[in-house]
Amino acid sequence: AQSVTQPDIHITVSEGASLELRCNYSYGATPYLFWYVQSPGQGLQLLLKYFSGDTLVQGIKGFEAEFKRSQSSFNLRKPSVHWSDAAEYFCAVGAYNTDKLIFGTGTRLQVFP
Amino acid sequence: DTEVTQTPKHLVMGMTNKKSLKCEQHMGHRAMYWYKQKAKKPPELMFVYSYEKLSINESVPSRFSPECPNSSLLNLHLHALQPEDSALYLCASSQVGSGVETQYFGPGTRLLVL
Repeated sequence: AQSVTQPDIHITVSEGASLELRCNYSYGATPYLFWYVQSPGQGLQLLLKYFSGDTLVQGIKGFEAEFKRSQSSFNLRKPSVHWSDAAEYFCAVGAYNTDKLIFGTGTRLQVFP
Repeated sequence: DTEVTQTPKHLVMGMTNKKSLKCEQHMGHRAMYWYKQKAKKPPELMFVYSYEKLSINESVPSRFSPECPNSSLLNLHLHALQPEDSALYLCASSQVGSGVETQYFGPGTRLLVL
C-alpha cells in the first residue's frame, strides 16, 4: 500500500536560513509526488510535482524538490526562507490505479525574524 | 485560471439544521473531491466525483450527502451533524479522477457545529 512519511512535525528556522523538509514514500511503482503548502485557515496550494524526467523539480515561491528513488525520498528545499513561508507543508503521493492522493501528516514551519 | 471557489467561507449550524456547502470550478475539470480537515491534520478524503458520477465514498456517514449537478459544481448537503463534524471542508478538482493528476484546492469552508 502507498504511504507517505514526514518525519518532522514542526521545524523552526530563522529568516534567511536554508530549509529542507523531509518526505519519504512507500510505493511499488514509480510514484507521482506532490508538495502542497497551506497557510492557516486556507486551502492547499501546489508548490511543485514530480511525474518523471529530471529528478530535481523547480516550483513556485523559490522552492525545489529532489526525487531520490534509492532513498524513497522527495525532500523539499529552499535556499533562503522568508517570513511569509511560515505555513503547513504536506507531501503527497498518487498512483494510476486510484483516484486518491495519499497525504503525509504535514510539517509545520515556523520562521523567526 | 486555476481557481476553485467555495461558499460560504464560514458556517455555524446547530445539530438539527440542514445546510449546504458549494464548490465551483471553471477549469473544465471532470473530477471533483470533498475533503475534511481537522486542525493540525492532513486532509481526509470523503467523496470523489468523476464525470459527474460518484466514484469514491470513503465510508462517510449519511448525514453528509454529496451532489454533483454538473461538471462545474459540487455540493455537500449537511443534516443532523455532530459537534465532532466541526472542521475545515475542502473542495478540490482535477482534470480526470486519477491519483496522478494535480488536484487544485479551494480555500475551504470552516464549519462549526454547536
